[in-house]
Amino acid sequence: NAGVTQTPKFQVLKTGQSMTLQCAQDMNHNSMYWYRQDPGMGLRLIYYSASEGTTDKGEVPNGYNVSRLNKREFSLRLESAAPSQTSVYFCASSDTWTGYNQPQHFGDGTRLSIL
Amino acid sequence: GDSVTQMEGPVTLSEEAFLTINCTYTATGYPSLFWYVQYPGEGLQLLLKATKADDKGSNKGFEATYRKETTSFHLEKGSVQVSDSAVYFCALSAYDKVIFGPGTSLSVIP
Repeated sequence: NAGVTQTPKFQVLKTGQSMTLQCAQDMNHNSMYWYRQDPGMGLRLIYYSASEGTTDKGEVPNGYNVSRLNKREFSLRLESAAPSQTSVYFCASSDTWTGYNQPQHFGDGTRLSIL
Repeated sequence: GDSVTQMEGPVTLSEEAFLTINCTYTATGYPSLFWYVQYPGEGLQLLLKATKADDKGSNKGFEATYRKETTSFHLEKGSVQVSDSAVYFCALSAYDKVIFGPGTSLSVIP
C-alpha cells in the first residue's frame, strides 16, 4: 500500500527556473494538501484541494500554482524559483467526506534547494 | 483565530524517562485533536487522535487526553526509548482547517 507518493525526492534548481512537484495518493481521498516545512516554522499550508476540480489558497500561496489533475493527483508548480522557496515540501491527503476528524496522510517529502 | 501552542524544544531525555509534551489550543468550535510524529527524513505520521472532550487517544505507549476545560492535549509516555527520538506535532482539525503546532524535537539518549 503506497499511500502518498511524492516525486522527486530531491531537487536542486537555479533561481528563475521552473519545476513541478508531483503527488499521487491511492487511498481514494477527496482532500489533498501541499505544505512547506522550514526550520522553526513548523508546517505552513501552501494550497489545498477539497475535492477534484477545486483548489484554494492556504497561508503562503505566493510564488506557487497547483493543479488537481484528477482525484489521485495534485501537483505543485514553481514558475520562477527563488532562494526563499528552498524548503521541504510535503503533500498530504485526507478523507474529509467522512468528517473533519479524519487524519492527514503524508508523503515523505521533496527536498528542494534553490541556488 | 484557531491556533495550537506547543512547548519549546528540543527536549532531551534518558532512556526509560517519563515524557510529557505540552499542547494547548484555541478554537471557536469543537475540534478534533491529533498528535503526529516525524522521524528524520520522513513525512508526518499519525500517532494518536481524540475527537471529543475527555476522549483519550493512545498508541505505542503514548497517550493524550482531550481536556476541554483547560483546552489542552498533552502527550505522555511512561518510559521512552531511543527509537522515540523524533519531532512531535500537535494539531487540531475544525471544519475544513487543519492547524499544526510548531513541533517539539525529542532526543532520547541511552
